[in-house]
Amino acid sequence: SAVISQKPSRDICQRGTSLTIQCQVDSQVTMMFWYRQQPGQSLTLIATANQGSEATYESGFVIDKFPISRPNLTFSTLTVSNMSPEDSSIYLCSVPIRNNYNEQFFGPGTRLTVL
Amino acid sequence: DAKTTQPPSMDCAEGRAANLPCNHSTISGNEYVYWYRQIHSQGPQYIIHGLKNNETNEMASLIITEDRKSSTLILPHATLRDTAVYYCIVRVGDAGNMLTFGGGTRLMVKP
Repeated sequence: SAVISQKPSRDICQRGTSLTIQCQVDSQVTMMFWYRQQPGQSLTLIATANQGSEATYESGFVIDKFPISRPNLTFSTLTVSNMSPEDSSIYLCSVPIRNNYNEQFFGPGTRLTVL
Repeated sequence: DAKTTQPPSMDCAEGRAANLPCNHSTISGNEYVYWYRQIHSQGPQYIIHGLKNNETNEMASLIITEDRKSSTLILPHATLRDTAVYYCIVRVGDAGNMLTFGGGTRLMVKP
């Protein structure tokens, strides 16, 4: 299994500002995923973050808006830049664990409200 | 990954079995059926997965039809704490492959 923590757990921000969300894992993992969950919606993958290489972004998400860092095998950050109310969402990181179940473990999420 | 179709919501009485259906008619031979659930204000949690045989663990049972075009997640004795959104996902088995979440089924367990 994996224990994942995220900081902050929630924040309220003004439009035009940026917020950096941290994801810490208790074990070394090669891949980390960042998801967004808009109010009342399902999860949408933003990007895949591999240590030592550029993040791979999904359609509709760009690096200028959601820059990602992956300095080591246990940590990653996602920045939501130049925020607007449409960015109000829960942001979750997850890590794949290649055990018997090939699970993905999710962090508790960061609830972001942009005014 | 193949697309899945689930009813948007279901109710179940506490203590009864909850049967959650999922259609995945375009599933390919190397894709597994995974079930995750998301309890309010938490991240999704793995429940169970299978390829073609029925599976059971301490949380649930998974019944996959012989043609693999549909499956049913069974919570044998639903409790109030099982109230959550349940996601049926098909994907190739490696953990490194991303999960594509559909709308899921919002299960409400009622006393």
